[in-house]
Amino acid sequence: DAGVTQSPTHLIKTRGQQVTLRCSPKSGHDTVSWYQQALGQGPQFIFQYYEEEERQRGNFPDRFSGHQFPNYSSELNVNALLLGDSALYLCASSSPGAGGSYNEQFFGPGTRLTVL
Amino acid sequence: AQKVTQAQTEISVVEKEDVTLDCVYETRDTTYYLFWYKQPPSGELVFLIRRNSFDEQNEISGRYSWNFQKSTSSFNFTITASQVVDSAVYFCALRPNTGNQFYFGTGTSLTVIP
Repeated sequence: DAGVTQSPTHLIKTRGQQVTLRCSPKSGHDTVSWYQQALGQGPQFIFQYYEEEERQRGNFPDRFSGHQFPNYSSELNVNALLLGDSALYLCASSSPGAGGSYNEQFFGPGTRLTVL
Repeated sequence: AQKVTQAQTEISVVEKEDVTLDCVYETRDTTYYLFWYKQPPSGELVFLIRRNSFDEQNEISGRYSWNFQKSTSSFNFTITASQVVDSAVYFCALRPNTGNQFYFGTGTSLTVIP
């Protein structure tokens, strides 16, 4: 049973460029969340996708956008890259729990983005 | 406001010592979920435990144990007889019942010295 997978592993871009990161959720999961983790910090929530729609968004500018496909995989797009966008980008998948509860999120290995 | 505080930035212990990682949370939700994750140098966050706000029973899993106290808004994590493989960054996280966002603390870096 494959866990959450992300691609690419590492990426180097220059300021002003655009980047697309990809995520495939764990088998049986239909919800994908994206996080940004700066060096030495905890993950910060970017947004969550469910049923191909953005369900909730954290405090990130519109330069960050996403998409979820019918097979539940997801993309994170960042436009007009800034130096401060350099971070580890983590994808997490989950599924609603029984009785309205919520299960834990399972994380992928992340994509390390460096903006020069 | 939703917030998780991990006051211990770095901890070093000698192998076989016990160590407790502190986590204090803030939320106005009456129902919420608390989590602990481990992040080894490889970067992938590994799920350790989930605790619901309505279940204050402490839990033990092998060398790991968790102490949840609503009265002090704390969810502390203890590793008994630490091992070198326990060296990692540990994150505490809060998921309020309203919304779908996880709020993470800043993490505690644990180094177990052989």
